[in-house]
Amino acid sequence: DTAVSQTPKYLVTQMGNDKSIKCEQNLGHDTMYWYKQDSKKFLKIMFSYNNKELIINETVPNRFSPKSPDKAHLNLHINSLELGDSAVYFCASSQEPGNGYTFGSGTRLTVV
Amino acid sequence: GENVEQHPSTLSVQEGDSAVIKCTYSDSASNYFPWYKQELGKRPQLIIDIRSNVGEKKDQRIAVTLNKTAKHFSLHITETQPEDSAVYFCAASRASYDKVIFGPGTSLSVIP
Repeated sequence: DTAVSQTPKYLVTQMGNDKSIKCEQNLGHDTMYWYKQDSKKFLKIMFSYNNKELIINETVPNRFSPKSPDKAHLNLHINSLELGDSAVYFCASSQEPGNGYTFGSGTRLTVV
Repeated sequence: GENVEQHPSTLSVQEGDSAVIKCTYSDSASNYFPWYKQELGKRPQLIIDIRSNVGEKKDQRIAVTLNKTAKHFSLHITETQPEDSAVYFCAASRASYDKVIFGPGTSLSVIP
């Protein structure tokens, strides 16, 4: 019974396309996040939602738009994909902001 | 904002030896310091954490120490085993208020 699940696991797409990644957690946590892990393994926060409200929006291009329909779900939509968007995107959740995270299994996005 | 540095970036030890990874943080208001282990192709997993009201915490072969004055914290792994090989991330946050900021990671290799 997966705690934080992401779909899809792999995504290969052409430049200029629009794609979405979905995340769901069944831990009853109030806070969810999107992190981007680049090729050097650096984990950088993109967005955070607490109880469906956006609380953190780092300097991310506005081609990236998160959506939280309820506190168990946080999706990420990316418009006009660029080569530099290629990375692994991790969803995570925690009981409250800044506490121990449970990560999803990641989505490896490759833009060609 | 918070900045977390981590050393060394790579570490190779013989099986059975100890490994130490050191981190520094910049925000004196940070009060929560988790450590994550990421095996190749997998998600980061929380292995141990420490809060600022504690100087040391141990869990079997893993221990963390915190020096709030110097803004340093360290991960100690004793009796290393090949399955300890992974990338280890230190992190810091102001629990309940803010996001977790990750260090750049240490790639640990345990040689049998």
